[in-house]
Amino acid sequence: GAVVSQHPSRVICKSGTSVKIECRSLDFQATTMFWYRQFPKQSLMLMATSNEGSKATYEQGVEKDKFLINHASLTLSTLTVTSAHPEDSSFYICSANEGTVNTGELFFGEGSRLTVL
Amino acid sequence: LAKTTQPISMDSYEGQEVNITCSHNNIATNDYITWYQQFPSQGPRFIIQGYKTKVTNEVASLFIPADRKSSTLSLPRVSLSDTAVYYCLVGDSGGYNKLIFGAGTRLAVHP
Repeated sequence: GAVVSQHPSRVICKSGTSVKIECRSLDFQATTMFWYRQFPKQSLMLMATSNEGSKATYEQGVEKDKFLINHASLTLSTLTVTSAHPEDSSFYICSANEGTVNTGELFFGEGSRLTVL
Repeated sequence: LAKTTQPISMDSYEGQEVNITCSHNNIATNDYITWYQQFPSQGPRFIIQGYKTKVTNEVASLFIPADRKSSTLSLPRVSLSDTAVYYCLVGDSGGYNKLIFGAGTRLAVHP
C-alpha cells in the first residue's frame, strides 16, 4: 500500500520552544492530508485538514495559531507546535488519502511523539 | 458526520474467531465503512473496507447488512499479535474523506 512517513518519530523540547513535524507521502501525491493527536489510552482526535496550496481547515477547539500547518507541496505537510507547553505533549499522527473520494482508505504515518519538558 | 459505536474491549484466546460489531445508524448513502488496527505508539493500519454485503481479504472479513447501519469485522483464528485497538470508521461524505475516530475496541488475545 501507499507509504506515509513522519519525521521525527520522537522529539523532546523545552517549554516555550516550537517544534516542527513533517509528514510525507512517499509514493503518491496527496492534495489533502490530515493531522491527528492522540493522548495515552485515548482515540485519535482530528485536529485539522491540510490542503495543498491553501489554508488548513481546523476542527473546533483547535487553535490555528498554536498548531501551524503548511502544505506547500503535494507530498509534504508540516505541523508546527508553537510555544509548546507540557500539555501539548502527545502522539501526533498524520494521514493522507490515496484513492477516490469517499473510499476512505487513509494511510497513516508512524506517528511523532512529542514530549514538552 | 456519521458516529460509530463499538464495544470498548473484548477478550479472546489464540486460535479463536473474533467478531467486532460496530453501529453506525446515520451512515450516509455515499459513505464507506473502513476498519483500522492500531498498536501502541504506531499509526493506524488499514484492515478492510466495504460498502455493502461481504468483503474478504487475506486478514479479515467484513459483513455489512442491507440497511448498512452496522458492520462486523471478523478476524479468523486470532494470534497474540492481533492484540490491538480496532477502529470502525465511516467516511465523511463531505468530499475529502475526513475520518473521525470513535473510541475503538481494545482486543486482548490470551494464550
